[in-house]
Amino acid sequence: AQSVTQLGSHVSVSEGALVLLRCNYSSSVPPYLFWYVQYPNQGLQLLLKYTTGATLVKGINGFEAEFKKSETSFHLTKPSAHMSDAAEYFCAVSDHDAGKSTFGDGTTLTVKP
Amino acid sequence: DAGVIQSPRHEVTEMGQEVTLRCKPISGHNSLFWYRQTMMRGLELLIYFNNNVPIDDSGMPEDRFSAKMPNASFSTLKIQPSEPRDSAVYFCASTWGTGQPQHFGDGTRLSIL
Repeated sequence: AQSVTQLGSHVSVSEGALVLLRCNYSSSVPPYLFWYVQYPNQGLQLLLKYTTGATLVKGINGFEAEFKKSETSFHLTKPSAHMSDAAEYFCAVSDHDAGKSTFGDGTTLTVKP
Repeated sequence: DAGVIQSPRHEVTEMGQEVTLRCKPISGHNSLFWYRQTMMRGLELLIYFNNNVPIDDSGMPEDRFSAKMPNASFSTLKIQPSEPRDSAVYFCASTWGTGQPQHFGDGTRLSIL
């Protein structure tokens, strides 16, 4: 069985500040990990994914995430927040790249001017 | 480019009625996913298709739910009879290959009275 825990249902940062959204996973097999963003009244959009290989993964909109097996973590970061980053972010884990994945409960990011 | 198109965007109906949600995936994508999103349970995968064939329907709640994909450009999710607990936002997503979905539709907000 797999699970995802997103620490902090709400995160607030100032524009220009570092964004750090936390995700810890549980998996009995090597995981595939994903981050999605959801803007209000829209569907999810894939930001980035880790399957194998390089543990630092770069995605769209300046986001990146690092897979740390020893910490079972896949935290999402962005060096400088922009107002347009305000959205809900979901971490997900799968035991392979296809099909069924388990989503976290989401973290709502607020960006203050 | 047209994204994943879902219809209707909103549906309000009385319990016991049949509900049909529709999805047109991105042209060329051969995997299609149906998700349900609620505050209580978060985002849940209901079913996914690859090359029009259902691969995993273990997330379909019960026999009242059925999904079809008669061709590569169209899928339906049907609930009959509908119940108030089916109220949720239903998302369709598609991707090329067997990976996790990259592109989601904007969802159908379903309210069963």
